[in-house]
Amino acid sequence: EIVLTQSPGTLSLSPGERATLSCRASQSVSSSYLAWYQQKPGQSPRLLIYGASSRATGIPDRFSGSGSGTDFTLTISRLEPEDFAVYYCQQCFSSSYTFGQGTKLEI
Amino acid sequence: QVQLQESGPGLVKPSETLSLTCAVSGYSISSGYYWGWIRQPPGKGLEWIGSIYHSGSTYFNPSLKSRVTISVDTSKNQFSLKLSSVTAADTAVYYCARQQLTHFDYWGQGTLVTVSS
Repeated sequence: EIVLTQSPGTLSLSPGERATLSCRASQSVSSSYLAWYQQKPGQSPRLLIYGASSRATGIPDRFSGSGSGTDFTLTISRLEPEDFAVYYCQQCFSSSYTFGQGTKLEI
Repeated sequence: QVQLQESGPGLVKPSETLSLTCAVSGYSISSGYYWGWIRQPPGKGLEWIGSIYHSGSTYFNPSLKSRVTISVDTSKNQFSLKLSSVTAADTAVYYCARQQLTHFDYWGQGTLVTVSS
């Protein structure tokens, strides 16, 4: 099983700042198989990024994804108040799916 | 717009079987895609449980495989989850989702299932 480790656990920033969230895999992951989700309290996860860098439908362009191999990054260029949430990365390998433990982005 | 809605008992006794159904609207399951179940214990992260194709082929999280059954009913446009021999560790919000090959693009709102006597 591929383990995804996200860092930091909590990120404290202010609106207008840039956020950089990390996701590290225990072994190499195809870029095509790495996704990012946003989850707000009491809501289901929302797909942000798939294929490491492709934005899902309706996702603002302030969200971007990058990376390859074992290191992936989600960047939010200028934080809006609605961006404060928990973010999860997810990978697919050999028909098995695992999620990172999450990064909480707080004001 | 694709919508998914989970339903089922909110309370299950230890050692019994948890049963949930996911009703899909806005898209015909028989048209394709995989359909998955994911759960989230209170205050914790996400865990993939298993997935099913419209044809009925399935694959599961190895850690849960021995206890999980997933089925599809294309006539009702829904799919279902059964998890046997539940314990308190199975208490979680259970989500159903439409699954692209590598990620989950549409999610239900989730349903909390508590395992308790």
